[in-house]
Amino acid sequence: GAVVSQHPSWVICKSGTSVKIECRSLDFQATTMFWYRQFPKQSLMLMATSNEGSKATYEQGVEKDKFLINHASLTLSTLTVTSAHPEDSSFYICSAGPDRAGGYTFGSGTRLTVV
Amino acid sequence: QQPVQSPQAVILREGEDAVINCSSSKALYSVHWYRQKHGEAPVFLMILLKGGEQKGHEKISASFNEKKQQSSLYLTASQLSYSGTYFCGTEGPNSGYALNFGKGTSLLVTP
Repeated sequence: GAVVSQHPSWVICKSGTSVKIECRSLDFQATTMFWYRQFPKQSLMLMATSNEGSKATYEQGVEKDKFLINHASLTLSTLTVTSAHPEDSSFYICSAGPDRAGGYTFGSGTRLTVV
Repeated sequence: QQPVQSPQAVILREGEDAVINCSSSKALYSVHWYRQKHGEAPVFLMILLKGGEQKGHEKISASFNEKKQQSSLYLTASQLSYSGTYFCGTEGPNSGYALNFGKGTSLLVTP
């Protein structure tokens, strides 16, 4: 099956610093990668859509200058949370697709805690 | 637009059946079903495309009625491992593969 690797699994950072999260499709080329955010006991909320070689499309209410997304290749997308604040603490999940089965494979998620 | 899932939560005994519904107010191109266990990322279960698909794997199956803009996930003879939160993700004709997820259905299977 398709594999998407997301790193790191968790990160604790100080308020005001930046954090980079990587999402890699290991055994397929993903034309599109998505970044989601999930608060405890809530659904996944789409933050942005990332297409290789072009600028990311952000959902309404998501600050593009705060959540920088780069999709440098067909197998790698990065999300950088700049000047992180405690309210940015959340579970961030990427997904890549479509894979060979036509579905979307999620990464394992990154739990960000800003202190 | 976020699809509506029902029920919000269900508790089953091992071996019982359950149905989770997902409905949208907009036209759908596909419906995706995922299961998420606490603290883990969602795991893909299946995708149903427009055209009235029905499919299944082992004792989990799903149907998609594109006219009604609804999908249902059927869990038959539930196992303890089925416990988790089930999300449907819907893709519209012009959403470019981006999925809108429902709020989830919490399923607990007890011995």
